[in-house]
Amino acid sequence: GAVVSQHPSWVICKSGTSVKIECRSLDFQATTMFWYRQFPKQSLMLMATSNEGSKATYEQGVEKDKFLINHASLTLSTLTVTSAHPEDSSFYICSARRPGGSRELFFGEGSRLTVL
Amino acid sequence: RKEVEQDPGPFNVPEGATVAFNCTYSNSASQSFFWYRQDCRKEPKLLMSVYSSGNEDGRFTAQLNRASQYISLLIRDSKLSDSATYLCVVTHNQAGTALIFGKGTTLSVSS
Repeated sequence: GAVVSQHPSWVICKSGTSVKIECRSLDFQATTMFWYRQFPKQSLMLMATSNEGSKATYEQGVEKDKFLINHASLTLSTLTVTSAHPEDSSFYICSARRPGGSRELFFGEGSRLTVL
Repeated sequence: RKEVEQDPGPFNVPEGATVAFNCTYSNSASQSFFWYRQDCRKEPKLLMSVYSSGNEDGRFTAQLNRASQYISLLIRDSKLSDSATYLCVVTHNQAGTALIFGKGTTLSVSS
């Protein structure tokens, strides 16, 4: 069964609105979660590392004020795309690792955002 | 030069065929290596880790050549269900948090 769950799977919104995507670890506590973005026919690109109880770490070129990340609990991280524009349309995927040193990343189902 | 390069394919093979995918990485300091599988419009899932000594998991064999900075995945006796995009992934840091993904190689297995 799923280890990491994302919601919503699909979202269509008007330009200028904000969209929140939730990522939950289902059977373990994740102090760190990762947010990726994937454009069509492109590779997954790490956007930011979400840290429970502290600020997220953003990759170069990712605007922290546009992509707000909140990791308020050990099982939930949220990504809010603020004032979304059509160029933000993409597949957003979160991931997490089980505690204990495993290198395997478990990915959420992904959220496909379309901004009109 | 991209950090992780893969032939995008598609590779179109019949059932039962053997197919090999290659991947090269540019950062000699890369520490860990993986193959992930991604079905269309789905999330990636770990297929297998890649070790220096090479490793096998059923019909899948992964090889790593650190000197050439080259990773391979061999699939024997292809099944229809193997149709997917195969992502080559490397990490740069000890914690394994900085994952770099290739664009993926698409495999289509037909009957």
